[in-house]
Amino acid sequence: GAVVSQHPSRVICKSGTSVKIECRSLDFQATTMFWYRQFPKQSLMLMATSNEGSKATYEQGVEKDKFLINHASLTLSTLTVTSAHPEDSSFYICSATGGGSSYEQYFGPGTRLTVT
Amino acid sequence: AQKVTQAQTEISVVEKEDVTLDCVYETRDTTYYLFWYKQPPSGELVFLIRRNSFDEQNEISGRYSWNFQKSTSSFNFTITASQVVDSAVYFCALSEAHGSSNTGKLIFGQGTTLQVKP
Repeated sequence: GAVVSQHPSRVICKSGTSVKIECRSLDFQATTMFWYRQFPKQSLMLMATSNEGSKATYEQGVEKDKFLINHASLTLSTLTVTSAHPEDSSFYICSATGGGSSYEQYFGPGTRLTVT
Repeated sequence: AQKVTQAQTEISVVEKEDVTLDCVYETRDTTYYLFWYKQPPSGELVFLIRRNSFDEQNEISGRYSWNFQKSTSSFNFTITASQVVDSAVYFCALSEAHGSSNTGKLIFGQGTTLQVKP
């Protein structure tokens, strides 16, 4: 159980276009979802925390208008990279938690974004 | 401030050697969780262990073992008789608990790249 999927797994887009990444919890209700970004050979950096039905909480330094996060249901959160630039090329990983005392996070397989 | 430090950037061992990955953390909270994740070349994070701050018992799972010492704020990970398939990046992470307001936000260390040579 506790499977999280991401779509697409890889995406290549041209500079200036927008890209949407989906994160789905397949067999549980995710009250909270997290979006991380990982540059090559670096650690995961939390971008934002999203709770179903409310606005996402962004980490310091993350542009809200550039990285739009929507968590419209208990099984789906989306990250839209608007007006993408080559420096946005990265590995984006989502995770989901169903709450409870353990706050176990279940990670998606990641989405590799390349902006040309 | 929360912080996780994995001082070893890269470790290379020969198959069947034992290897220990270090993790040191900083937190002001008395209640928190510590994690280890494995990230193979495919990129997907694989959960290895979660330990809460009140449980200092060491744990062994097959060839994996973890040594949690609150006195030194360390949560080290040992792989016994390493295998080539253990080659990956390993991350230590910290999640603070603030009672009902905890969202489970994870702070990751820099990661240690382990290469196990045949």
